[in-house]
Parts: sequence; C-alpha cells; structure tokens
Amino acid sequence: EADIYQTPRYLVIGTGKKITLECSQTMGHDKMYWYQQDPGMELHLIHYSYGVNSTEKGDLSSESTVSRIRTEHFPLTLESARPSHTSQYLCASSARRGGGNTGEQYFGPGTRLTVT
Amino acid sequence: GDSVTQMEGPVTLSEEAFLTINCTYTATGYPSLFWYVQYPGEGLQLLLKATKADDKGSNKGFEATYRKETTSFHLEKGSVQVSDSAVYFCALSVSDYKLSFGAGTTVTVRA
Repeated sequence: EADIYQTPRYLVIGTGKKITLECSQTMGHDKMYWYQQDPGMELHLIHYSYGVNSTEKGDLSSESTVSRIRTEHFPLTLESARPSHTSQYLCASSARRGGGNTGEQYFGPGTRLTVT
Repeated sequence: GDSVTQMEGPVTLSEEAFLTINCTYTATGYPSLFWYVQYPGEGLQLLLKATKADDKGSNKGFEATYRKETTSFHLEKGSVQVSDSAVYFCALSVSDYKLSFGAGTTVTVRA
C-alpha cells in the first residue's frame, strides 16, 4: 500500500489569497509530481522533481510554484489564487526505474481547490 | 512523442456484463503500460501493469495484455459489479520520470 498524503482535501478560498497545498510521502521515493485534473478528467503534469533541490515545470504551464527541500515533502504554492485555479490537484511519487520498479506512480487522494 | 489513445466514454453497463476499454499507444522505445482507476473523490490507484510484449497484467478480475504488434493494452473484465463504477486511465512510461495518460473513460455499472 502506497503512503502518500495530501492536505487539505478540500479548500475554498477567496481571490488573491496565498495558498499552499501539502504533499508528503513515506516511501522514500526520489521522484514526485503534481498534476492538475480538469473537470473533464484529463490529467496534466504541472511540476515534477527528481530529488531534493530539483524542480522542473511540466507539460502544462502553471502559475504555481513548488519546492523540494526534503525527500518526503513536495508542497505547491499559489501566491495569488484566482478563479481560473479552481481544479483538483493530485500529487504522486515514484521510485527510480530498475531493480523491479517499472515507473509506476503512486497518487495521493487529491486536493479539490475552489477559488471564489 | 509518446501518447496514449483511450476509448471515449462514458460507458454504462448492467451488472455482470462484460467490460472492454480500448487503449492504443504510440511510443519510441519499450514502454511499460499501466491501467489506473479513480473512484469518486479519490486519487488514482494502480490497477495493473505490464512491462514487456505479451505480458498480461491482472488484478481484481481485470486483465490487460501488452500487444506490441497492435500497440494496444485493452482492459477487460468478464463480469462487472456496481463497485467497479469509476474512471479508468491507460498510461505508459518510457522515460525515467514521465507517465503519459489517456483521457480517461468513465464507467457506470447499474444494478
């Protein structure tokens, strides 16, 4: 059973507020990811990290930022939330490929963000 | 680039019906293939996987076979239950970090 946690699960916040979505994993995985999931269900990679002090932008441009100071922690921050940021945000992690690992990612339960 | 094309939904079935969700892929190299399931209000869970041609992944009555000749990884279940109602995603992994996902297929099973 994968152990990856996200808080909060639901967040309703007003425009202009700064928010941080938390993601933690206890599996010691090097790689972590943030996805944005549209109401139409398609997943879009917005950030990923190979390890501590590594962050990269994903396929979908996002105004959010991420940091990776500790292996187990990969928070996502929006400096000024807008209604267009309303979405579900999914965090995931994976082990390095090889040695029986085949690149699968393990997902947290998601944070559903609504910006009013 | 690497991509996955997944059967469009939604799919509505009666209990005990046979389910097939088609998935085809385009990839350079030798991808690993996955099916994920997302129940309402939850994140994605790995349902099954296959890492090389002719491998069959199976879990919870679901099966999918890695067909290199047709570049396909179709998901099947012989007798669905109401509890199988969910969104199903096909995905492939080629590089060390990235999964390419299909658009997802919503399955609703009626009692």
